[in-house]
Amino acid sequence: DVKVTQSSRYLVKRTGEKVFLECVQDMDHENMFWYRQDPGLGLRLIYFSYDVKMKEKGDIPEGYSVSREKKERFSLILESASTNQTSMYLCASSSTHGAPDFGPGTRLTVL
Amino acid sequence: KQEVTQIPAALSVPEGENLVLNCSFTDSAIYNLQWFRQDPGKGLTSLLLIQSSQREQTSGRLNASLDKSSGRSTLYIAASQPGDSATYLCAVGHSGSARQLTFGSGTQLTVLP
Repeated sequence: DVKVTQSSRYLVKRTGEKVFLECVQDMDHENMFWYRQDPGLGLRLIYFSYDVKMKEKGDIPEGYSVSREKKERFSLILESASTNQTSMYLCASSSTHGAPDFGPGTRLTVL
Repeated sequence: KQEVTQIPAALSVPEGENLVLNCSFTDSAIYNLQWFRQDPGKGLTSLLLIQSSQREQTSGRLNASLDKSSGRSTLYIAASQPGDSATYLCAVGHSGSARQLTFGSGTQLTVLP
C-alpha cells in the first residue's frame, strides 16, 4: 500500500513564525500535492509538483512556498504565518496515471 | 475554471436505506472523477475512480456513475450502515501534467441505527 506520511498531526504556531510542513511518500510517485481544507470550502490546491525541483501554483498559492529537493519529499513553507492560515493541510501523491493517495493531514493553528 | 458542487451538504438516513449522493461539475473536459470518504479529523480514502471514457464503477455496496455531457456524477450506496457515516467528497481530475484534482465541498452523511 502507498504510504504518505506528514510530519505532524497537530501544530500550534504564532503569527509571524516560519512554518515547515513535511510530507514523505514511499512509492516513488512522480506527483505530489498540498491542499488545505476549510469548512464549507472543501479542499483547495495550494501547490503541486510533477518532478523533483519542479513546482506549479495551484488555486491559492499566496502566502505559501514549496520545496521538492528529493522525489519522496515535498515541503510546504509558510514564510510568515498568519491567523488566516489556520487550517487542515493535506498532502497527496500519485503516479502519472494513478489516483492520488492522501496523508492523514496536519491541523495547523496560528495564534 | 472548473467548479464542483455537491448537494446536499448534509444528509441523514435510517439504517438499511439506499441513498444517492450527487456531484456536478462545470467543465466536461475531465480526465477522471473520483469519490473519496473522509472520517472526522482524518485524511481521505479513495472509494471509486471513474476514467473519462467510463460510465460507472462498482465496489461492494457502492456504485458511481459518470455523465460527462451533463456534468454529473452520482454515488449510490446500497443498504446503508452506521459505519457509512462520514463526509463524501467528489473530485474531478484535470488533464494537466500532474492530473491535479478539483474538489467539491462534500456531503456529510449520517446513517442512524
